[in-house]
Amino acid sequence: AQKVTQAQTEISVVEKEDVTLDCVYETRDTTYYLFWYKQPPSGELVFLIRRNSFDEQNEISGRYSWNFQKSTSSFNFTITASQVVDSAVYFCALSEDWMDSSYKLIFGSGTRLLVRP
Amino acid sequence: EPEVTQTPSHQVTQMGQEVILRCVPISNHLYFYWYRQILGQKVEFLVSFYNNEISEKSEIFDDQFSVERPDGSNFTLKIRSTKLEDSAMYFCASRDRAAGNTIYFGEGSWLTVV
Repeated sequence: AQKVTQAQTEISVVEKEDVTLDCVYETRDTTYYLFWYKQPPSGELVFLIRRNSFDEQNEISGRYSWNFQKSTSSFNFTITASQVVDSAVYFCALSEDWMDSSYKLIFGSGTRLLVRP
Repeated sequence: EPEVTQTPSHQVTQMGQEVILRCVPISNHLYFYWYRQILGQKVEFLVSFYNNEISEKSEIFDDQFSVERPDGSNFTLKIRSTKLEDSAMYFCASRDRAAGNTIYFGEGSWLTVV
């Protein structure tokens, strides 16, 4: 069965600090996708990144970076030099690919990030 | 940039009333979804829809729920007889397999049952 665990319920940092959000997943499949979504206070879900299970390269996009490690089943998200606008709930999600018609996201419980000025 | 649009953004309804939430998925997407998020909780899968039929549904999606694609653009979620515990944000989403399997979400419809 699929499962996504985000053990950090809430993180509070001061602006310009770096912060890492943890995500650990469980799956029986060898082919799967991992995602991060941002949910700002306005409520929408904003797609940040998708990573497939065959691509373990770390990725950097501006202040955001992602560290995917299959050996530890983790897909951690780091924000460098955090800003107040980064304050949001961040969700990690997993989708298995064993049957296309069953493709769906299973979300973790989310990590609320508060960046204080 | 194409996006998933949902209406209404917020609806208040009385317990026992029927509610229809509407969605216009991204135009070339073929796979559609409804998810639910009770206030302060995780986002939960309700149902997926492909080729004019439900491909998978969760145990939350009981007989009170139904989905429909009445025309080539809309995708609706109907709750037949709302309960207090149906109060939540409902997200519509869509994906295009050819474009890498990312699921894109609408801005959500906040349903309050009183």
